[in-house]
Amino acid sequence: AQSVTQPDIHITVSEGASLELRCNYSYGATPYLFWYVQSPGQGLQLLLKYFSGDTLVQGIKGFEAEFKRSQSSFNLRKPSVHWSDAAEYFCAVAGNTPLVFGKGTRLSVIA
Amino acid sequence: EAQVTQNPRYLITVTGKKLTVTCSQNMNHEYMSWYRQDPGLGLRQIYYSMNVEVTDKGDVPEGYKVSRKEKRNFPLILESPSPNQTSLYFCASSDRGPADTQYFGPGTRLTVL
Repeated sequence: AQSVTQPDIHITVSEGASLELRCNYSYGATPYLFWYVQSPGQGLQLLLKYFSGDTLVQGIKGFEAEFKRSQSSFNLRKPSVHWSDAAEYFCAVAGNTPLVFGKGTRLSVIA
Repeated sequence: EAQVTQNPRYLITVTGKKLTVTCSQNMNHEYMSWYRQDPGLGLRQIYYSMNVEVTDKGDVPEGYKVSRKEKRNFPLILESPSPNQTSLYFCASSDRGPADTQYFGPGTRLTVL
C-alpha cells in the first residue's frame, strides 16, 4: 500500500526566506503526487501536482516541487516566503488505490 | 461558483444520537469522498464513491455509513456516534477519481459528548 511521510511536523521561517518542505512517498509504480495547503479554518486547496513529464512542477502562489524518483521524494519549495503562507501543508500520493495524505507540516512565518 | 458545500459546519451532539452530515457538489464530479482530520494524524479517508450507487470503504470506515443516490450528494451518516468520532470532517470531489485534483468542502467540526 502506498504511504507518505512528511518528516517535519512544524517549521518556522522568516518572511522573505526560502522554504523547503519535505515529502517522501512509498509506491510501487509511478505515482500521482500532490501538495495541498490548508489555511486556518479552511478546507484544503491544491497547490500543485505531478503526473508525468517534467519533474519540476510549478504551482500557485509561487510554489514549485521537484519529483525525484531515485529518492522517492516530492519536496515543495518557495524562494521567498510571505506571511500569508503560514498554513498547514499536506503531501499526497495516488495510484491504483485511493489518495493517501501525509500527516502534514505546519508552517509558521515570523517577521 | 464551483464548490463543495457541507452542512452543518459545526455540530455538538451526544453519544448515540444519530446524525447526518450532508455534502453536495455542483461540478458534476464522478468521484466523492469523506475524510476525517485529527491532530497529528493528518487526513484519513473514511469512504469514497466512484459513481452513483458505488461506494467503498476507506482507511477508517468503522462507525460510519454513506450513500450515493444522486451524483451531486454524498451524505455521511453516524448511526450511533461515540466520543472517538469527535473530529474535523471534510468532503471532497473530483472529476475522474483519486488521482485527479480534489476539491474540498469547508469542513464540519463535530464534537460528540
